[in-house]
Amino acid sequence: AQRVTQPEKLLSVFKGAPVELKCNYSYSGSPELFWYVQYSRQRLQLLLRHISRESIKGFTADLNKGETSFHLKKPFAQEEDSAMYYCALSGHGFGNEKLTFGTGTRLTIIP
Amino acid sequence: DAGVTQSPTHLIKTRGQHVTLRCSPISGHKSVSWYQQVLGQGPQFIFQYYEKEERGRGNFPDRFSARQFPNYSSELNVNALLLGDSALYLCASSPQGTSYNSPLHFGNGTRLTVT
Repeated sequence: AQRVTQPEKLLSVFKGAPVELKCNYSYSGSPELFWYVQYSRQRLQLLLRHISRESIKGFTADLNKGETSFHLKKPFAQEEDSAMYYCALSGHGFGNEKLTFGTGTRLTIIP
Repeated sequence: DAGVTQSPTHLIKTRGQHVTLRCSPISGHKSVSWYQQVLGQGPQFIFQYYEKEERGRGNFPDRFSARQFPNYSSELNVNALLLGDSALYLCASSPQGTSYNSPLHFGNGTRLTVT
């Protein structure tokens, strides 16, 4: 069974401070990991995925297979980062490509 | 940019009734997926269709069914509605059938309330 755990429902960080949103996963195989974000009154959208190894809006995430984690990090928080963040994983192959989401973390940046 | 469109945006139904939710994918996208999001939870996978064939099914009862049409639009049907079916139903499309190299584009969802 595949599972994604986001231990923090709420996270408040001061503007300019570092941000880390935690994500742990369980999957018997080699998963693909994603972070999706939902800003206020907007639709759910892809922030980044581990296979791209890219930095989007200053956010990065490293897949740690030993700790089965995919934490999202940003060195200096900005007010526009306030949003709902979901970690998600998918498998490979026919019938395994669904996304399994965590329960989400609401990030609030304090001015 | 014509993103994924869903209709209706809001719906109120009574227990025991059935409901049909509709989704139009982004032009050129051949895969449509449906997710249920209960308040306070992340989206939960219901179905995926690719090229009009079911490619995946989540852990939902047979009261839930879906189909994809030749123009790649999709319908989600729920029969014998229960109070617990109250949720935001999200549709997502992607160019191909795989999630990892073909990221999902979500619609704004249909808010279903069952009374």
